[in-house]
Amino acid sequence: DTEVTQTPKHLVMGMTNKKSLKCEQHMGHRAMYWYKQKAKKPPELMFVYSYEKLSINESVPSRFSPECPNSSLLNLHLHALQPEDSALYLCASSRGDRATNEKLFFGSGTQLSVL
Amino acid sequence: RKEVEQDPGPFNVPEGATVAFNCTYSNSASQSFFWYRQDCRKEPKLLMSVYSSGNEDGRFTAQLNRASQYISLLIRDSKLSDSATYLCVVRGGSQGNLIFGKGTKLSVKP
Repeated sequence: DTEVTQTPKHLVMGMTNKKSLKCEQHMGHRAMYWYKQKAKKPPELMFVYSYEKLSINESVPSRFSPECPNSSLLNLHLHALQPEDSALYLCASSRGDRATNEKLFFGSGTQLSVL
Repeated sequence: RKEVEQDPGPFNVPEGATVAFNCTYSNSASQSFFWYRQDCRKEPKLLMSVYSSGNEDGRFTAQLNRASQYISLLIRDSKLSDSATYLCVVRGGSQGNLIFGKGTKLSVKP
């Protein structure tokens, strides 16, 4: 029943493949996020888009390339990934007004396996 | 000191038990605090915000102690469905981002 929709739910790719993860929300949120989560670890922030502009890149390798075509959509383009990039990739959104009680809403994630 | 610290558990409790989790944070300027719940291989879901005066939502009570920089979550009358990992989340950092603790695993047994 999440209002943040991610596709695909599962993805297996080789190290030479190019693939994209997609995220969509229709809550009118103006901030969107990509997180990476390994098993038994907390989510790690990768990128933040605020009003469709990249505002935070947490020193993520260039093989991960985010894109925000409009305020409702967020993509993560993947190229030449490594096996250690296998993880659950979570998209999230928030109002974007940076109010103190601003909450994150997560999509159900894409479980990525790199072979 | 880590920014947000939690006891990883696991906490194994019988149904009906009361269980409490604590979380400490290092940035005294932090302003927002949340508890998220995450089931295995699922996304984190907001359980509740934590307000300065403390707040309750059914069987769940959250408390904030700014002086000691800790947050607590109390679950009364535990249900089997409460089994999950509970993530303490604090808004902090240089850009006001949400910082996640490593989570506390709860297992409620029949």
